[in-house]
Amino acid sequence: SAVISQKPSRDICQRGTSLTIQCQVDSQVTMMFWYRQQPGQSLTLIATANQGSEATYESGFVIDKFPISRPNLTFSTLTVSNMSPEDSSIYLCSARGGDNSPLHFGNGTRLTVT
Amino acid sequence: GNSVTQMEGPVTLSEEAFLTINCTYTATGYPSLFWYVQYPGEGLQLLLKATKADDKGSNKGFEATYRKETTSFHLEKGSVQVSDSAVYFCALSEGIKTIFGAGTRLFVKA
Repeated sequence: SAVISQKPSRDICQRGTSLTIQCQVDSQVTMMFWYRQQPGQSLTLIATANQGSEATYESGFVIDKFPISRPNLTFSTLTVSNMSPEDSSIYLCSARGGDNSPLHFGNGTRLTVT
Repeated sequence: GNSVTQMEGPVTLSEEAFLTINCTYTATGYPSLFWYVQYPGEGLQLLLKATKADDKGSNKGFEATYRKETTSFHLEKGSVQVSDSAVYFCALSEGIKTIFGAGTRLFVKA
């Protein structure tokens, strides 16, 4: 199974700044995703990271706020732009090999915006 | 659209008690079903899965059976341990996306 390394593991950021989260998978995977998990809640899909092209965003998430890159099959970044306290959350990178196969997750990035 | 509903927590049990966490789903086709577990401070880990009706997924003493007639995938364990304390997520996957339930927090007391 794929091992996913995500960094930073946590950060405290000031309002109005941006943070880029990196995700590295130890093997080639077909699909990579970014999720948000607010405290005590379930996971909400932000977007599917597509290799070499623009990410596919879910309703309520836009590229200007959450730009995503995926330059190759094993690496992706998520930027949280112009942060506000409402962006305080855990951001999770995940990956899998194909449709209907299980997801593998990184340990997440716990973001606090002050 | 597809959805997953699981029982609300928290669930508090004594060690060696029997565990059931209910999960039901709605789907337009034939999804794969999963249970994930999240320990404090960590990401989610796959606990077990089932890919078609009547399949039983099992791992670490946990079991769940894919019941198409009742659209359910309830998680069970015969004897829980303190180390099972975590949040459990039921999920379905049909195609590209995975949809998660709200999660059920389990506390196991010694």
